[in-house]
Amino acid sequence: GENVEQHPSTLSVQEGDSAVIKCTYSDSASNYFPWYKQELGKRPQLIIDIRSNVGEKKDQRIAVTLNKTAKHFSLHITETQPEDSAVYFCAARGGYALNFGKGTSLLVTP
Amino acid sequence: DTGVSQNPRHKITKRGQNVTFRCDPISEHNRLYWYRQTLGQGPEFLTYFQNEAQLEKSRLLSDRFSAERPKGSFSTLEIQRTEQGDSAMYLCASSLGGIDDNYGYTFGSGTRLTVV
Repeated sequence: GENVEQHPSTLSVQEGDSAVIKCTYSDSASNYFPWYKQELGKRPQLIIDIRSNVGEKKDQRIAVTLNKTAKHFSLHITETQPEDSAVYFCAARGGYALNFGKGTSLLVTP
Repeated sequence: DTGVSQNPRHKITKRGQNVTFRCDPISEHNRLYWYRQTLGQGPEFLTYFQNEAQLEKSRLLSDRFSAERPKGSFSTLEIQRTEQGDSAMYLCASSLGGIDDNYGYTFGSGTRLTVV
């Protein structure tokens, strides 16, 4: 089955700096890669996704890049704000369901 | 219909008891998923329904676990003879499914199970 590895597990940045979270996947047939943000005690929410026929996608301060050859994808957050503090999960779809990474706890300090 | 609804929000049960959780997906979503999340971990896949058909089950879903989606709308997840290791947040998610399968999930708020 699909195995998704996510790094780092924790990340602390100062407000205004950029944050980068990286994930690798094992199943070369995976074709869909979403990112979710989960605030403490709340449900995971989709923030951006990318399909395997696209190398990069951007939405305001967040962007995702995909390297299919290397089987890795990354989340980039620019101009970080304290409200970006949360746990971020990457995921990959190889079959019917998404397989999630273990999460990155991002702390943005003022 | 503003999202995925899960009930109850919290459940405390004694070891050995049976529990049942309910999920009401977004009405036009034909796909429904159950996940389990423990502290500090990502959601772990349990099972998937397309309409009323259960098409995939994780090996995490032991024979004490059963899920149904009888009319292709709401779903229930039952855990029999609960164990302390079953304590977790049980998340339900739904999505559209079609020729292009790649739609993101909408998650419910989850049911937090504590087995004492």
